[in-house]
Parts: sequence; structure tokens; C-alpha cells
Amino acid sequence: EVQLVESGGGLVQPGGSLRLSCVASRFTFSNYWMSWVRQTPGKGLEWVANIKPDGSEKYYVDSVKGRFTISRDNAGNSLFLQMNSLQAEDTAMYYCARTAGAIAFDSWGLGTRVTVSS
Amino acid sequence: DIQMTQSPSTLSASVGDRVIIICRASQSINSWLAWYQQKPGKAPKLLIYKASTLESGVPSRFSGSGSGTEFTLTISSLQPDDFATYYCQQYKTYSIFTFGPGTKVDIK
Repeated sequence: EVQLVESGGGLVQPGGSLRLSCVASRFTFSNYWMSWVRQTPGKGLEWVANIKPDGSEKYYVDSVKGRFTISRDNAGNSLFLQMNSLQAEDTAMYYCARTAGAIAFDSWGLGTRVTVSS
Repeated sequence: DIQMTQSPSTLSASVGDRVIIICRASQSINSWLAWYQQKPGKAPKLLIYKASTLESGVPSRFSGSGSGTEFTLTISSLQPDDFATYYCQQYKTYSIFTFGPGTKVDIK
């Protein structure tokens, strides 16, 4: 069974930075697009960013462009999200998800919580 | 950008009821539509992809239909484990994905 484990969340002040990680196992990580999705407390889901298997293409939701950077290390089966200039509105649970082409987001991690507050 | 809407936002139903949730896209997404179920404190779970294909292991009481801009998720006979929030998602292009706002199914 596919496993995705996120880490790196925590409490950070407005304007601060965090780096989220997602370690993948039990599938060939380098064959898949990967995404970050967030969910604000009590609210719905928002896709944040995704990255092509070889890292050559990356896409972001408008609200994080210029502040967040998605990357991956295929040798280490890891996905990352560097988050800079964090704002209160970035407070959310962040999930990594395997993006399986026509099969959409077929596997999700348990999430890591990010809180931006002074 | 493609916007997604869902109706209703909340649905109260009883065990055994037939439940229908509607999802609409602001422009055609062909059949690039997925449905997810989420329970409190848990990650979303994929139920249906390509509008009507049931993900492996998902009970057959769940079904999806539609294409273009209008889609439905049907639960043929609601079970106690089905009380949850359901989200649709368009994935027409990899440059942007969009989720609907969700439909909460609770106990009448």
C-alpha cells in the first residue's frame, strides 16, 4: 500500500518560513506527479502546487506564487514545500498527494499542520 | 480559471436513503472530475475518477455520472459509514486543479 508521510509543520510568526517534507514509500516515486493540498480549519480543500516526475514543470495556485516553492528528491523519495513570507491565511493542514494522471489524487498522507500566528 | 460549485452544501439523510450530490464546473472539463470523501480529522479518500470510474475498494453503492459541466455523485443506499463531507475536483489540466466547496452529509 502506498505510504506518504508529511512532516515539518509547526507554529511560525507572520513573515516567517517553513519547509514541509513528504516521504513516499511502496511505489516508484519518480514515475508520478506529486501535489500539495491544504485545508484551512473548518474549510474546504485547496490545491497548492504540483511537480512533474522529473521536476521540470511546477505549478502553483495564485495565492502562493512567489512565496512557495515545490521540489522533489527522487533518489530520496521525497517531496518538499518551501514556504516563505507566511501569512495568517496560510494556516492550514497541508497534505501531500500522489497525482496519478487520469486517476486524480489517489493517495494522500495524513497531513502536517501549519499555524501562522504571532 | 475553472470554478467548481456543489449543491447542496449540507444534506441531511437517513440510513437507506438515496443521496445525490451535484457538482458544476464553470467551463467544460470533459470527464476530468473526481469525487473524494473526507471524515473529520482524516485525509480525503478518492471515491471516483474520470467522472464515473469507481476507485478500487470503494463500495458499489457509490456511483458517478456526467460530463462537460455537470456531474453527480449518487449513494444508492446511505450507510452509517457514509456520513462525511464529499468534494468534487476538476483535473482537466495539470497547471491548476480546483476543488468544489464540499457537501456535508449528516444524519437526519
